[in-house]
Amino acid sequence: QLVLTQSPSASASLGASVKLTCTLSSGHSNYAIAWHQQQPEKGPRYLMKLNSDGSHRRGDGIPDRFSGSSSGAERYLTISSLQSEDEADYYCQAWGSGIRVFGGGTKLTVL
Amino acid sequence: EVQLVESGGGLVQPGGSLRLSCAASGFTFSSYWMSWVRQAPGKGLEWVAHIKQDGSETYYMDSVKGRFTISRDNGKNSVFLQMNSLRAEDTAVYYCARAGGAIVFDVWGQGTMVTVSS
Repeated sequence: QLVLTQSPSASASLGASVKLTCTLSSGHSNYAIAWHQQQPEKGPRYLMKLNSDGSHRRGDGIPDRFSGSSSGAERYLTISSLQSEDEADYYCQAWGSGIRVFGGGTKLTVL
Repeated sequence: EVQLVESGGGLVQPGGSLRLSCAASGFTFSSYWMSWVRQAPGKGLEWVAHIKQDGSETYYMDSVKGRFTISRDNGKNSVFLQMNSLRAEDTAVYYCARAGGAIVFDVWGQGTMVTVSS
């Protein structure tokens, strides 16, 4: 069964970098995923598609402060030069035969 | 501008029905799979259903199978979600999303709130 696991929360200081993790369930370590951002009281926004080899393609208008990487079953989203507007919930998303799955989300606090 | 605008949400009693609509603009609607995703109050995102470009294939999450129906009208650039036998646990903001490459949700609407309560 395809399951995505994310830590519930993370925090980092303004101007610093943070790395968020999404872990794919056993047997799915070669899957690509997508990252989405949801700022408070807003709808989600697509950030990027991230492949198992770490290659990624950002969505339109997404700054290069947002980058992705992969290692085994782990998929990472790194945000550099943190800004106040980066305080948001971040969700990973994957796809299987006929289904789409989201991780539980990570709430990022910018200190 | 690529845009998705949902409508049709509201308050409905348990066991009732509601039909959500999503109007698309700014892209060739008939070239994309489309999906509905929901978010219960204070909870995470949950995929609900999606539909192929020509409507020939549809998929649903287990808890809505037999109760919800996704459909589309390519002539009107719209996708719909017919929700029957609604339950309290269906209470959520419902988002329409475009599935780029049939897999990633690369465009999102602003959402419409559905509240199931007596």
